[in-house]
Amino acid sequence: DVKVTQSSRYLVKRTGEKVFLECVQDMDHENMFWYRQDPGLGLRLIYFSYDVKMKEKGDIPEGYSVSREKKERFSLILESASTNQTSMYLCASSGRDANQETQYFGPGTRLLVL
Amino acid sequence: EDKVVQSPLSLVVHEGDTVTLNCSYEVTNFRSLLWYKQEKKAPTFLFMLTSSGIEKKSGRLSSILDKKELFSILNITATQTGDSAVYLCAPRSYQLTFGKGTKLSVIP
Repeated sequence: DVKVTQSSRYLVKRTGEKVFLECVQDMDHENMFWYRQDPGLGLRLIYFSYDVKMKEKGDIPEGYSVSREKKERFSLILESASTNQTSMYLCASSGRDANQETQYFGPGTRLLVL
Repeated sequence: EDKVVQSPLSLVVHEGDTVTLNCSYEVTNFRSLLWYKQEKKAPTFLFMLTSSGIEKKSGRLSSILDKKELFSILNITATQTGDSAVYLCAPRSYQLTFGKGTKLSVIP
């Protein structure tokens, strides 16, 4: 079974704090993704990575950065958290081959920025 | 810009009813379309469709893709309360583009 884990299920931070969200997958997947999910807006892609040390901007990268130092780990960083970054954050991973395109999601981190 | 529209936005049915959820899309370099079910937490994978006209089935759920008309449908027969969830459609080009989902509520 594919397993994608995220470091925290719930997180409360103050405006201006630096926030790290960690995601680890155990399927040796090349591709990893960070989404945020908000009511009425659906799932929106923040950043993704197709390989170690490689990153690509998604649809809403502003205010975020990412790090992929190891294949199994993809970190999302909020350099200076703001209240409009309160959201559910979902990490996903997938393989590179066409028959491995399914993305498997972690359980999500619900972040509240006060 | 890639676009995905799911309809209806929400649906309330009684147990035993059959429902059809719709997904229309405009995606450049289309490769596949995925359906997910999301209950209280993360989306869980249901189907991946790559070819037109070939129905994929899993128990009471089935799905089909029409690449000419750019849509897909997800059918659920004999609905149960455990089918209550948000169903997400996501066509894939270089990455997935998610629709906003259809919220299905099945009442006893």
